[in-house]
Amino acid sequence: QLQVQESGPGLVKPSETLSLTCTVSGGSISSGSYYWAWIRQPPGKGLEWIGSIYYTGSTYYNPSLESRVTISVDTSRNQFSLKLSSVTAADTAVYYCARQASDTSGYPFDYWGQGTLVTVSS
Amino acid sequence: QPVLTQSPSASASLGASVKLTCTLSSGHSSYAIAWHQQQPEKGPRYLMNLNSAGSHIKGDGIPDRFSGSSSGAERYLTISSLQSEDEADYYCQTWGTGPVVFGGGTKLTVL
Repeated sequence: QLQVQESGPGLVKPSETLSLTCTVSGGSISSGSYYWAWIRQPPGKGLEWIGSIYYTGSTYYNPSLESRVTISVDTSRNQFSLKLSSVTAADTAVYYCARQASDTSGYPFDYWGQGTLVTVSS
Repeated sequence: QPVLTQSPSASASLGASVKLTCTLSSGHSSYAIAWHQQQPEKGPRYLMNLNSAGSHIKGDGIPDRFSGSSSGAERYLTISSLQSEDEADYYCQTWGTGPVVFGGGTKLTVL
């Protein structure tokens, strides 16, 4: 059974860079037909897609965050990572990583992590 | 890019059935969507992929009580024989040539 697990600091200071890693187990990040994605959820609010990466390093981002987001992949460690720069209190959220299918049926997120809360505060 | 609209809340009795709706914006009625369930204090769980013809592919371990259907720009999630653990937020998700989009979610209360 595939599992994805987020890790990283739970507290980030304003104007600094948020950094999270997602570790994939039970499957290879290099297998075809899948992207790997980051999604976030501010407290009490809905889901917002941040961006996705293919194992080759090809990325696509939410235009509303694109200027501050970098997603990278490390196939040797079966991990992918998120960096979000110049954070403010508005970036406080639970951050999820997920596998995103990429085939004729579309691009649904079919496996999700349990999420990690990141608070932006001094 | 498409916009997905969901009612903020729904309720139904234990053992009954409920049908949740996700509506695609004008010009996007052919789009497929995915349904996700988020139980309180948990991460989302993928329920199914649902296309415009009403064909759906469920995720691993999703019970037969969950089914999907479509009509025009509307995508439905029907949950039958409601159980207490079905009380959750339900989100629809779609994709196109632009960014991935989520609906605002429906909070389902099981009475």
